[in-house]
Amino acid sequence: KQEVTQIPAALSVPEGENLVLNCSFTDSAIYNLQWFRQDPGKGLTSLLLIQSSQREQTSGRLNASLDKSSGRSTLYIAASQPGDSATYLCAVQGGNTPLVFGKGTRLSVIA
Amino acid sequence: GAGVSQSPSNKVTEKGKDVELRCDPISGHTALYWYRQSLGQGLEFLIYFQGNSAPDKSGLPSDRFSAERTGGSVSTLTIQRTQQEDSAVYLCASSARATGDTEAFFGQGTRLTVV
Repeated sequence: KQEVTQIPAALSVPEGENLVLNCSFTDSAIYNLQWFRQDPGKGLTSLLLIQSSQREQTSGRLNASLDKSSGRSTLYIAASQPGDSATYLCAVQGGNTPLVFGKGTRLSVIA
Repeated sequence: GAGVSQSPSNKVTEKGKDVELRCDPISGHTALYWYRQSLGQGLEFLIYFQGNSAPDKSGLPSDRFSAERTGGSVSTLTIQRTQQEDSAVYLCASSARATGDTEAFFGQGTRLTVV
């Protein structure tokens, strides 16, 4: 059974810092890995999708990497801003299976 | 529509009543997922529809929960004889294909409160 772990559970950084969020999964037979952002009381917003054949994806200040063989992904946020404060969720998907989520990392960026 | 739409956005119901939650996926998306998120908890998988295949119901917590997807589009999640522990945010998502190589998009959720 696929299990996804996110470390740390919570993170507080001063504005402007670069930071890394970690995601690990137990079964490397995945089709894709997706990073989401969730603001309090809101739904999930998709940030980046990495397909199993890819090593990384970039969108603006966000860069996500995938090492499928070791079961790891990182989300790198450059030059963090207070508006980046949210919970970041990692999810993996195998073939014809639902997304399996980690419990998330709650990020606070302090101005 | 432009995104996944869920209704109602909020629902307060009395213990023992039945409720129906609706999800309108993105047009043309063949895969549809239901999850729930209790306060301060992660996302719990409930049910997964993939095209015309039999749905994956392995996440439904009890036989009080059921879901259907009509015409391969709109989905309804029904909770019978609601209990206080059913209080949570119910989230729906859709993706273009069931093969897992496409992005999933989520609705804003339905916040269910059982009193």
